[in-house]
Order: sequence, then structure tokens, then C-alpha cells
Amino acid sequence: QKEVEQDPGPLSVPEGAIVSLNCTYSNSAFQYFMWYRQYSRKGPELLMYTYSSGNKEDGRFTAQVDKSSKYISLFIRDSQPSDSATYLCAMRSNAGGTSYGKLTFGQGTILTVHP
Amino acid sequence: DVKVTQSSRYLVKRTGEKVFLECVQDMDHENMFWYRQDPGLGLRLIYFSYDVKMKEKGDIPEGYSVSREKKERFSLILESASTNQTSMYLCASMRLADSYEQYFGPGTRLTVT
Repeated sequence: QKEVEQDPGPLSVPEGAIVSLNCTYSNSAFQYFMWYRQYSRKGPELLMYTYSSGNKEDGRFTAQVDKSSKYISLFIRDSQPSDSATYLCAMRSNAGGTSYGKLTFGQGTILTVHP
Repeated sequence: DVKVTQSSRYLVKRTGEKVFLECVQDMDHENMFWYRQDPGLGLRLIYFSYDVKMKEKGDIPEGYSVSREKKERFSLILESASTNQTSMYLCASMRLADSYEQYFGPGTRLTVT
């Protein structure tokens, strides 16, 4: 079983819809939870970052972490065609030493928002 | 502005060839990473480096090696390319103090025929 599971989609929604993207994980040591966005023919870029449990909001984007269920979500409100991209969840533990900074990524969800 | 560059966007090589993929970052970051990205499998870590001349195996190091002779440069080497190494290769760098944000290059699409 993979440490991080993410539904690869693809997901296709109309403009203005609320989008929910999710990941589950098995490693209880994960403390940092990230969402990266990857446009076509580009490298991923950090979208949002959350430490431990809770919610974080940034404009139309909300990240939620439920450590008791080992489940994280990214919500996109009022989705736009420019949100069309692959969204990857990523996680890391507090482990130090040479593994510091090593991220574990989900498979990525392909999202298309059509006008 | 943060920048990670990779030597080629597209590369076609023959089976058995030795392949070098180069990555350069201009941010003085301590950590650098090599991933491959395949549909349905996401990003898988091949190797990473936390300092010059230091390296650690990732999740799928078989068939690959790396070199980091200077802080800004991290090379991925395919000793004898095989068709199952056809993939998108992504390089990333990270500042140690911001251990959640990796900066990625645009990727190299490698095809081995």
C-alpha cells in the first residue's frame, strides 16, 4: 500500500463549481501537509502548506487536515478555467538527519474547469 | 526570483546509452532532488542530496546514479538507458529552513528507444 493515496481523476467541472480534492495517508508521523499545483509542461509549484491539523484559507482555496482520520483536502471555490492543472498532495514528517525535507507525494489529480 | 533550470526539455536516447541530466539552481539551496513522474504513479523520488558530494537514495534508485560536485548543480546519470526509464524527470531544490517548499524545474521528457 502506498503511503499517500490520491484519486488521479480526471475531474471535470463547470466554471464556478466547488472542487474538492483529497488524499489519505498511512504514516502517522507526517506533520507537514502541502498542496502543489502543476500546469501542463511545467514543474509543480507550492500552492498551500499546513502544519499539523486544522484549516487554512487563501483566497478561493482552503486546505483541511484531519490527522485523526489521516485525511487531507483542498477545496477550490468559484473554480476558474485557469485552475485547470494537476494537483498533488505532499507530506513530510519531522524526521531530522539526512532525510530532512524529503516529501512524499500523492499520484496527483488532473482537474479541468470548463467555461 | 527563484530559478531551477534543467539542461534539456526533450531528450531521445537509444537503449544502452549513458545519459546525463543536468540541473542548476540559483538560490543557494542546500537540498536538491531528482524525481520521475509517470501517469498514475505521481512523483517518485530517485535520489536527493543535502550537501555537496553527499547523496541519499530515494524510493527508486535502481539504474540511476547522481553527482553533486558544486552546491548549485545536481546531475542525474542513467548508466545504461533502458526503455522503462522513458519518463518525465523533474529536478527540485529546497532551502533547509523552509522544509516544505521545493522549487521545481520545468522537467526533461526522456524517451529511450
